[in-house]
Amino acid sequence: EIEMTQSPVTLSLSPGERATLSCRASQSVSRSLAWYQQRPGQAPRLLIYASSTRATGIPARFSGAGSGTEFTLTITSLQSEDFAVYYCQQYNTWPPPWTFGQGTKVEIK
Amino acid sequence: QVLLVESGGGLVKPGGSLRLSCAASGFSFSDDFMSWIRQAPGKGLEWVSYISRSGNSIHYADSVWGRFTMSRDNAKSSLHLQMNSLRVDDTAVYYCARGEGLLASWGQGTVVTVSS
Repeated sequence: EIEMTQSPVTLSLSPGERATLSCRASQSVSRSLAWYQQRPGQAPRLLIYASSTRATGIPARFSGAGSGTEFTLTITSLQSEDFAVYYCQQYNTWPPPWTFGQGTKVEIK
Repeated sequence: QVLLVESGGGLVKPGGSLRLSCAASGFSFSDDFMSWIRQAPGKGLEWVSYISRSGNSIHYADSVWGRFTMSRDNAKSSLHLQMNSLRVDDTAVYYCARGEGLLASWGQGTVVTVSS
């Protein structure tokens, strides 16, 4: 099973600042990496897939990069609605399991 | 508009059973793979199970293998998760999601609490 590790656990930033979240896989997942956002009390929603492709309706301030074992999610100019928990997930393996990172909480400083 | 609505959650004693359902609309259900994911209170996301379009290929996480059974009814655009021999650590919000590995759309979840 591929282990996904996210850092930092918590990111304290002010609105308008830039957020950089990291995700590391225990072995290569190629570019089969997704990012999800989960706001309090809500279901997760897909932000980024294939490492860098924004899902439908996702603002351009969200961008993803990386391949192999190292990935980043960048949010330029944080908006109030961006303060949430972000999960990375690999979907490269077959058969499953498809594993998630433990999450990074982006909180208001 | 894709809509996934889970139901069937509740409070059950250890060793008990529950059957979760997920009603799908807004897309061609029979053309999509489907998954269940869960989230224990205050914890992260855990993939639980996956089913192919026809239902003839199903995979489970080790943590639920042999206890949970996933199925689908394409005629009714519905997904099910039969959960037997429930344990305290099965307590979680259970989400159905559209997709195989990549989870494009999620329902709002149904809460399962296993407690004596």
